[in-house]
Amino acid sequence: DAKTTQPPSMDCAEGRAANLPCNHSTISGNEYVYWYRQIHSQGPQYIIHGLKNNETNEMASLIITEDRKSSTLILPHATLRDTAVYYCIVRVLIFYGQNFVFGPGTRLSVLP
Amino acid sequence: SAVISQKPSRDICQRGTSLTIQCQVDSQVTMMFWYRQQPGQSLTLIATANQGSEATYESGFVIDKFPISRPNLTFSTLTVSNMSPEDSSIYLCSVVQGTNTEAFFGQGTRLTVV
Repeated sequence: DAKTTQPPSMDCAEGRAANLPCNHSTISGNEYVYWYRQIHSQGPQYIIHGLKNNETNEMASLIITEDRKSSTLILPHATLRDTAVYYCIVRVLIFYGQNFVFGPGTRLSVLP
Repeated sequence: SAVISQKPSRDICQRGTSLTIQCQVDSQVTMMFWYRQQPGQSLTLIATANQGSEATYESGFVIDKFPISRPNLTFSTLTVSNMSPEDSSIYLCSVVQGTNTEAFFGQGTRLTVV
């Protein structure tokens, strides 16, 4: 089972910031939080990841609470092309490698 | 970032037949994975493709149905055997290049079984 919970869907107005929440209350100290998105009919696309500090790149910002039990992905100026399913993933480390467990994600609709 | 080429991109197959999907990466990678995404669903891990040894399958997936090969650090195949309409899904290859790094995904193979 996925170790995260996300709202099933969200709407955002074009040009506004999209804030996507994720709960991961059972996260372990050495587990990272990853965000991916999947635009219709494409493979998942990596967005950002972090351990405890806030992170920013050209696509988004990741805000992780101090207790690491939740995080928020921020798309600062959403465009119609950001309409996708967004997955929050806690990295599961297993003895033979590293596995990404996908939950149902949040379907973000950016509205004109 | 790794560039993944997955072939075929889509196929329509008759039930009872088998299809082999190829995943080629432009650089050596640590781990390779195969996922299935059924219509309207999230991704489910099928197995980890191990270089030079048998793949490691997740619960609910077996080698006879989904044989996997990984002859080197840049290439893997997934075969969907004795297909039925329930196997109609998108099959995705994913790679990881190191520890605590992101996974990259191919564009997927959209399989329809008729």
